[in-house]
Formats: sequence, C-alpha cells, structure tokens
Amino acid sequence: LAKTTQPISMDSYEGQEVNITCSHNNIATNDYITWYQQFPSQGPRFIIQGYKTKVTNEVASLFIPADRKSSTLSLPRVSLSDTAVYYCLVGEGGGNKLTFGTGTQLKVEL
Amino acid sequence: KAGVTQTPRYLIKTRGQQVTLSCSPISGHRSVSWYQQTPGQGLQFLFEYFSETQRNKGNFPGRFSGRQFSNSRSEMNVSTLELGDSALYLCASSLDRQGPPDTQYFGPGTRLTVL
Repeated sequence: LAKTTQPISMDSYEGQEVNITCSHNNIATNDYITWYQQFPSQGPRFIIQGYKTKVTNEVASLFIPADRKSSTLSLPRVSLSDTAVYYCLVGEGGGNKLTFGTGTQLKVEL
Repeated sequence: KAGVTQTPRYLIKTRGQQVTLSCSPISGHRSVSWYQQTPGQGLQFLFEYFSETQRNKGNFPGRFSGRQFSNSRSEMNVSTLELGDSALYLCASSLDRQGPPDTQYFGPGTRLTVL
C-alpha cells in the first residue's frame, strides 16, 4: 500500500473551511483514496472516498489532482464536534486490510 | 440496522493470562477485520476474516489469533498476555463488495488493560 504523509495537527475556528492535504507520491493505478475520522475512544468512521477529480457528499469534499500524488479533504464550516483525528488511506479494493498512518489531529475552537 | 458490537467493552487481565474478545458484525457483512490501537503505534491491522477463513494477516506474533463463525461473528484471542498488549482492540465489518475498497464500519472497541 502506498505510504501517506499528512500534517500532524491543524487548528481552526468554528465556521471556517478546513482543508487537510495528504501526500501519496507512490499511489498505484488501482488505488483509491479514503478518509476516516476518529474521535477519542471510538472506532474510525468513514468520511469519503475517491479515485480522481472531485467527490462530494453531505459532510465533506475530496479533491484529487490529475497526477493523484496528493489529495485534499475539505470540511466546510467546521464546528467544535469536528475536533477529531483524520486519517488518509490509499489502497485498492479486494480484501480489507487498512493501513492507517499517524493521521491529522484537527482542533476546532470557538 | 444495528452497528458493529464488541464485547466486553473493558477488560483487565494480568500478565501471562489469555483473553478472548468478541465481535458481531453488521447484519449481512461477511468480512471482519481486527485492529490494535495504542498511543505509541497507532492503529495497526491484526487480521481479516471472510467466510470463516483468515484472508489477510498483519505483523503480529502468533499469540494473536482469531476465528470467524458461520454467522460471521468473530473472536480474537491473545495468549500469554504482555504489558504491551494493553490497547484498544477494534473490530470492523464490511460487505466485501467488488471494485473500490470497502467502507469499513468500526465497533466501539474493547479496552484491554494488562497489569
């Protein structure tokens, strides 16, 4: 699985848009990019998944440039409840063996 | 639909003992994966079971084992417990669809403390 690099931490304020970038220089042709969110003492929760260009759902957007060597998770108008660790994962389908990196600790303040 | 359930939620054991953790996947999900989370090592993949067979395995010693039953419920066992086995053990289930990676649904975890 391709290794990913994310910022260790980010700070934001309520109502702002937060963009978390993930680098994955060795992404393979069949790999997808998936983001999970984790609150303390809970299991990770799926946020969004994409292969190329842009994907949007009710909670986030995922931007993937043409070279696919990086991706950006965008959280619109964050609130205090978005304070969590966000993980970027890269891999192909078939088998369920997720490799989690260190993640990005997002802290949202008033 | 009920989510992934794990029992027990908390467990305290002493070194040398063994422990069995249980996971009930979401109804209809056939794949069950186990992860260990510690402050120092983060989230690490233990193993995955599908149709009662271990399909993937992480880099953990043989003291860590698991199994899956015909109803997709899974158990993991850790023998000869060590202090370093203290962790949050997470179970995740998925449909095992074809194509893009499955969405994995995680349970609340079992917090194991080894004294």
